[in-house]
Amino acid sequence: RKEVEQDPGPFNVPEGATVAFNCTYSNSASQSFFWYRQDCRKEPKLLMSVYSSGNEDGRFTAQLNRASQYISLLIRDSKLSDSATYLCVVWGYGGSQGNLIFGKGTKLSVKP
Amino acid sequence: DADVTQTPRNRITKTGKRIMLECSQTKGHDRMYWYRQDPGLGLRLIYYSFDVKDINKGEISDGYSVSRQAQAKFSLSLESAIPNQTALYFCATSDSGLGRTEAFFGQGTRLTVV
Repeated sequence: RKEVEQDPGPFNVPEGATVAFNCTYSNSASQSFFWYRQDCRKEPKLLMSVYSSGNEDGRFTAQLNRASQYISLLIRDSKLSDSATYLCVVWGYGGSQGNLIFGKGTKLSVKP
Repeated sequence: DADVTQTPRNRITKTGKRIMLECSQTKGHDRMYWYRQDPGLGLRLIYYSFDVKDINKGEISDGYSVSRQAQAKFSLSLESAIPNQTALYFCATSDSGLGRTEAFFGQGTRLTVV
């Protein structure tokens, strides 16, 4: 099982739609969780951290379920500018020796 | 100026040549990383360094070597480049604090081995 797995995508949605991305991780010792955004041919950048209680930043909501080892990202009222690849990232101990492990990413395309 | 700078940004090299990719950072972070990104495979860790004297292999270190010349500099070498090392390479940094560890990436080096 891959350490971090994401929905393969791509997700093609109209402007204004709500879209959800899911991610699972295999290492129960994982400590921290993040969503990164990567635009085409650009470097990944932190979108938001994911906290145990769930957290919201404007149109973006992240949820963590430690029991199920599951992370989600919800984007409401999608904008054209949300088109990007979204990377689920896990930081933890164990086999990864305290490093950031990236999922393969889910591509989102928001259409007019 | 970018906090994490990679040079070169683009490079075409021939099979068998030695090539070095350089990374420097002004974040003051202890930890530095080299990743490669291939279509459909995501970001994969090549090498990482927790400080100048601590260098570790990542998931795909074969065919690569690194040097941590200073806290701010971490270079990646391909001793004898081969075509399947064609990829987008990213350097990243993070601080050494536990948890909540955001990584900051350079703009990437697009390497083509012909």
